[in-house]
Amino acid sequence: DVKVTQSSRYLVKRTGEKVFLECVQDMDHENMFWYRQDPGLGLRLIYFSYDVKMKEKGDIPEGYSVSREKKERFSLILESASTNQTSMYLCASSSDGERGVENSPLHFGNGTRLTVT
Amino acid sequence: AQKVTQAQTEISVVEKEDVTLDCVYETRDTTYYLFWYKQPPSGELVFLIRRNSFDEQNEISGRYSWNFQKSTSSFNFTITASQVVDSAVYFCALGAGKSTFGDGTTLTVKP
Repeated sequence: DVKVTQSSRYLVKRTGEKVFLECVQDMDHENMFWYRQDPGLGLRLIYFSYDVKMKEKGDIPEGYSVSREKKERFSLILESASTNQTSMYLCASSSDGERGVENSPLHFGNGTRLTVT
Repeated sequence: AQKVTQAQTEISVVEKEDVTLDCVYETRDTTYYLFWYKQPPSGELVFLIRRNSFDEQNEISGRYSWNFQKSTSSFNFTITASQVVDSAVYFCALGAGKSTFGDGTTLTVKP
């Protein structure tokens, strides 16, 4: 089974801090994603990566950046944390699949619940 | 723009009842994929099923079944004889990777 591991389950940070959320997958998947989940808003895509050193903005990239130096690791960075970034952050990965990335299901980590005070 | 609507925010049933979770989607693509995911209280979303737009055959897997109707842009999910372990948030999604997710339906199954 695919294993997607997020380094922290719970995290509390102060406003203005630089925050790193780490995600590692062990199935050699090409694609990795960061979502945030908020009540009533579902899952919203922050950034994604289809290859090492490649990154693309999702729907809500403001205030975030990412790093993918190795295929298995995808880091989400909050440059200067703010209270409106308090949320559940979900990392996911997928393979390219038979018809490309669009038909490959996502494999999620357990999530990191970040609180910014 | 793509959109997924799960009109039911919360559903509560008693164990052994059947329950249907609705999903309506919007897309201009002619080929697309639909997914259902389950998020139990532990938090990890788990993939349940994938359906492509050119295959309207319904699918049954144990107590789970899915009804895909392209004419009404719907991809509904039915749990037969619900169990307490089915309690979770269920998400419908359009596409993969850059998926568009619905807001989710919280299902509570009471003993």
